[in-house]
Amino acid sequence: AQSVSQHNHHVILSEAASLELGCNYSYGGTVNLFWYVQYPGQHLQLLLKYFSGDPLVKGIKGFEAEFIKSKFSFNLRKPSVQWSDTAEYFCAIRGSQGNLIFGKGTKLSVKP
Amino acid sequence: SAVISQKPSRDICQRGTSLTIQCQVDSQVTMMFWYRQQPGQSLTLIATANQGSEATYESGFVIDKFPISRPNLTFSTLTVSNMSPEDSSIYLCSVEATWTSGMEQFFGPGTRLTVL
Repeated sequence: AQSVSQHNHHVILSEAASLELGCNYSYGGTVNLFWYVQYPGQHLQLLLKYFSGDPLVKGIKGFEAEFIKSKFSFNLRKPSVQWSDTAEYFCAIRGSQGNLIFGKGTKLSVKP
Repeated sequence: SAVISQKPSRDICQRGTSLTIQCQVDSQVTMMFWYRQQPGQSLTLIATANQGSEATYESGFVIDKFPISRPNLTFSTLTVSNMSPEDSSIYLCSVEATWTSGMEQFFGPGTRLTVL
């Protein structure tokens, strides 16, 4: 069965620090991978997605993620975080029915 | 993008009662999904609701507890029946849409349910 694991439950950073959130998935076939963000009081929004091609994917708000097939990973990165990046981040893989299978999420708190 | 609205946005219900959650999409979509997000947890798929066919439920979820309707390509309802405090969660509707840039899944704002 497909699954997604996110290593960090809660990450606390100061503004301008670099960010990397880990995501690993289990599935041996072709994968569609996503990162979603949920700002406080708002609904889920897509940050970026990987279907095929260039394994380095650029998303909105300066986020990027790298698909490393050999490591079954899809880590999210941002060179310099802002206070407004405080949110919960979810990694997900597309399931066989078209649904998304989510990791447990990582809460990011950015201190001004 | 697909814009999704849900009603109600939140509710507080008594044990043993039922609540029906509505999901409305601003465009016609084939695939709709219902998820649950329990406090401090990630999203878990309840069922897939495709128009014209019976909903497909995930392990641990049954039709008697979570009946779903999908009368057309823009609307669906999820009922949480005979509620208990363990049903307190955020319930989210989502749809899949395909663009030139590929498939994307959009989420509604969620319905925050508290069962006393």
